[in-house]
Amino acid sequence: GENVEQHPSTLSVQEGDSAVIKCTYSDSASNYFPWYKQELGKRPQLIIDIRSNVGEKKDQRIAVTLNKTAKHFSLHITETQPEDSAVYFCAASKGSASKIIFGSGTRLSIRP
Amino acid sequence: NAGVTQTPKFRILKIGQSMTLQCTQDMNHNYMYWYRQDPGMGLKLIYYSVGAGITDKGEVPNGYNVSRSTTEDFPLRLELAAPSQTSVYFCASSPTSLEGYFGPGTRLTVL
Repeated sequence: GENVEQHPSTLSVQEGDSAVIKCTYSDSASNYFPWYKQELGKRPQLIIDIRSNVGEKKDQRIAVTLNKTAKHFSLHITETQPEDSAVYFCAASKGSASKIIFGSGTRLSIRP
Repeated sequence: NAGVTQTPKFRILKIGQSMTLQCTQDMNHNYMYWYRQDPGMGLKLIYYSVGAGITDKGEVPNGYNVSRSTTEDFPLRLELAAPSQTSVYFCASSPTSLEGYFGPGTRLTVL
């Protein structure tokens, strides 16, 4: 079955700097890659996603890139702010009638 | 819409007890999922359903059972609770099996 690996497990960056979180997946049939943000004590919430027919997607300060050949995808957060502090999860899915498999998460801390 | 709701929010069980975690969604989503999140860890898929009457095992199904008699409800049953089942349980739903909408979670402690 699908296996999603995520790195790093923890990341600390200076406010205003950029943060990058990387994930790899094992099943080449996966075609949908969402990213979730989970603030302390709260539920995971979808922040951005990318499908396999797209190489990059941006939404304000966040962007996701996908390399299908290498089977990895990354989350980029620019101009980080204190409210970006959270745990971020990547995930992969094969689409219709399939399950969503999550990475192990990255705890992002923004230093003032 | 209330979205995805879960009850109870918190529960303490004794070893060997049983309970049902309730999950309801009012978005008419076909896909529903149960995840567990151990402290400081990621989300592990327990069971999922692609529609009423259809369920399938995820990554960690042992010790759990589910049913899906209606589109709205997807209860998770724990039989013979064990300390290893101490976790936060999240239910999620999706219209397309892609993006998931999560409930607020149930924090379960087994002592």
